[in-house]
Amino acid sequence: AQSVSQHNHHVILSEAASLELGCNYSYGGTVNLFWYVQYPGQHLQLLLKYFSGDPLVKGIKGFEAEFIKSKFSFNLRKPSVQWSDTAEYFCAVNRVGADGLTFGKGTHLIIQP
Amino acid sequence: DAMVIQNPRYQVTQFGKPVTLSCSQTLNHNVMYWYQQKSSQAPKLLFHYYDKDFNNEADTPDNFQSRRPNTSFCFLDIRSPGLGDAAMYLCATSRDLGQLDYFGPGTRLTVT
Repeated sequence: AQSVSQHNHHVILSEAASLELGCNYSYGGTVNLFWYVQYPGQHLQLLLKYFSGDPLVKGIKGFEAEFIKSKFSFNLRKPSVQWSDTAEYFCAVNRVGADGLTFGKGTHLIIQP
Repeated sequence: DAMVIQNPRYQVTQFGKPVTLSCSQTLNHNVMYWYQQKSSQAPKLLFHYYDKDFNNEADTPDNFQSRRPNTSFCFLDIRSPGLGDAAMYLCATSRDLGQLDYFGPGTRLTVT
């Protein structure tokens, strides 16, 4: 069965630090990849997605993610985090041809002022 | 403006008492999904509708049913809630399969 692993369940950083959240998936076929964010008290929203083309994807709020097919990874990055980036971040994978998405367990990111 | 609305936001039900959760959308999206998310776990797909076509995940218990009377509305019915069904239930929509464009705020279900 397809699975999505997010290695860090809790991450604490100071403002202006660089961020990288790991995401690995287990499926070997063609996939679409997503990162979602859930700010405190708000609903999940799409941060960025990869379907095809340039493996470096830019999303909202300065986030980007890189698809490395050989590593089955889709890590999320931001060069300089802000206090407002405190949120839960979910990686998700869709196996092309399947209808739904499989989510990772999420990473709780806390940015200290 | 809210695009995916879930009612109620909080629902308390008794063990074994049927409960219905509601989701509506103003986006005219073809696909509506229901996900279950338990504490510290990944959201888990229960089922989805593509237009009127219903698709149940293989491991979704029979206790969970869904209805989509029109494009805008989709309901999640739990026929006999157990304590293990306490969770956040998320509704999401998309124009097409294989992606999730918008989520609702979720309904937190408590079973007593």
